[in-house]
Amino acid sequence: SQTIHQWPATLVQPVGSPLSLECTVEGTSNPNLYWYRQAAGRGLQLLFYSVGIGQISSEVPQNLSASRPQDRQFILSSKKLLLSDSGFYLCAWTVYRGPDTGELFFGEGSRLTVL
Amino acid sequence: AQSVTQLDSHVSVSEGTPVLLRCNYSSSYSPSLFWYVQHPNKGLQLLLKYTSAATLVKGINGFEAEFKKSETSFHLTKPSAHMSDAAEYFCVVSDLPDYKLSFGAGTTVTVRA
Repeated sequence: SQTIHQWPATLVQPVGSPLSLECTVEGTSNPNLYWYRQAAGRGLQLLFYSVGIGQISSEVPQNLSASRPQDRQFILSSKKLLLSDSGFYLCAWTVYRGPDTGELFFGEGSRLTVL
Repeated sequence: AQSVTQLDSHVSVSEGTPVLLRCNYSSSYSPSLFWYVQHPNKGLQLLLKYTSAATLVKGINGFEAEFKKSETSFHLTKPSAHMSDAAEYFCVVSDLPDYKLSFGAGTTVTVRA
């Protein structure tokens, strides 16, 4: 069966420090991978998505970046965190294309607090 | 471009009573619609989906939703709320040409004993 792992679960970082959040998927191949951010009291904001190794699409200009070094690994990074980067980060995947693309499988999330 | 509006930011119900979460969408083509549930500090879990088959869709945990094209709605219902239904619920729409997803702002459900 397929599983998704996301870590770390909780992170407290000072302003200006770097960030690395990692997500891996098991039990499937060639998934679409997504990074979402959920700020307090707000809905989900798509940050990045990837349809294949090395293929990254950015939805929102910001100081974050994403990489997909392997088929089932998706990494979210920042060189210098801002206070506004605080939030709950969710990784998700799907193997569907077309009308079922919205059937996503989410990780447990990583809560980032920037102080 | 498509969009989705969840009409209630918060719904409070008593245990054992019906739950209704309202969702309206706008779409240019033939949308696919989804409902997700998120418990505190957890990821989202798919409850059910509509992708142009039967308009009444049954999901997990006793939830169902009806796609009404004339009303551009996809409301989520459950006949009898359980304490474990306390969570946040998101309505999601996707559509041609690229099936990008649009999430609603979410509805928080509280269940009173």
